[in-house]
Amino acid sequence: DIQMTQSPSSLSASVGDTVAISCRASQHITYYLNWYQQKPGKAPKLLIHAASSLQSGVPSRFSGSGSGTNFTLTINSLQPEDFAIYYCQQSYSIFYTFGQGTKLEIK
Amino acid sequence: QVQLVQSGAEVKKPGASVKVSCKVSGHSLTELSIHWVRQALGKGLEWMGGFDPEDGETFYAQKLQGRVTLTEDTSADTAYLELSSLRSEDTAMYFCTTRRYTGAYLYYFDSWGQGTLVTVSS
Repeated sequence: DIQMTQSPSSLSASVGDTVAISCRASQHITYYLNWYQQKPGKAPKLLIHAASSLQSGVPSRFSGSGSGTNFTLTINSLQPEDFAIYYCQQSYSIFYTFGQGTKLEIK
Repeated sequence: QVQLVQSGAEVKKPGASVKVSCKVSGHSLTELSIHWVRQALGKGLEWMGGFDPEDGETFYAQKLQGRVTLTEDTSADTAYLELSSLRSEDTAMYFCTTRRYTGAYLYYFDSWGQGTLVTVSS
């Protein structure tokens, strides 16, 4: 299976800050990388697909970049509703795998 | 807009089996690719398996092979996950989700059920 490793595991930031979350794949996955946001007690929500394509309805302060093995989710001008857990997921192999998650907390 | 509604919470003893349902509305199940993802309490997301309509095959995560079975009742627009030989580490929230295909081999999970909590305890 393709291993996905996110960093950091947790992150503290303030409203208005810009943060970046990294995701590394154990092998080359071109741009077959998706990002999800999950809030407590809720199902994950798709934010970004194909590494950099913003899902319809997702605010433009979210952006994704990268290809190959290294990817980044950037959130500009953090809003209170953005404090959540973020997961990357590879879709290169049908044996899909997720990163371990990055918890974004309010400082 | 696709909506997925899952069956209610289950409590099972070790060694038993559980069957979770996922009712689809807003779309025919035959037009969808349903996958299952689980999440132990306070842990990350784990893909369990799903149906690939392009080749008609069902794929399962290797670590669950032999214990997990995915089925569908297209007449009822309902997908099912059955997990057997339950153990304490199977205690988790189980989600069904639709896998969307946008071309160029690009896939992602977009619609999600609300989750079904399965607790395995003696």
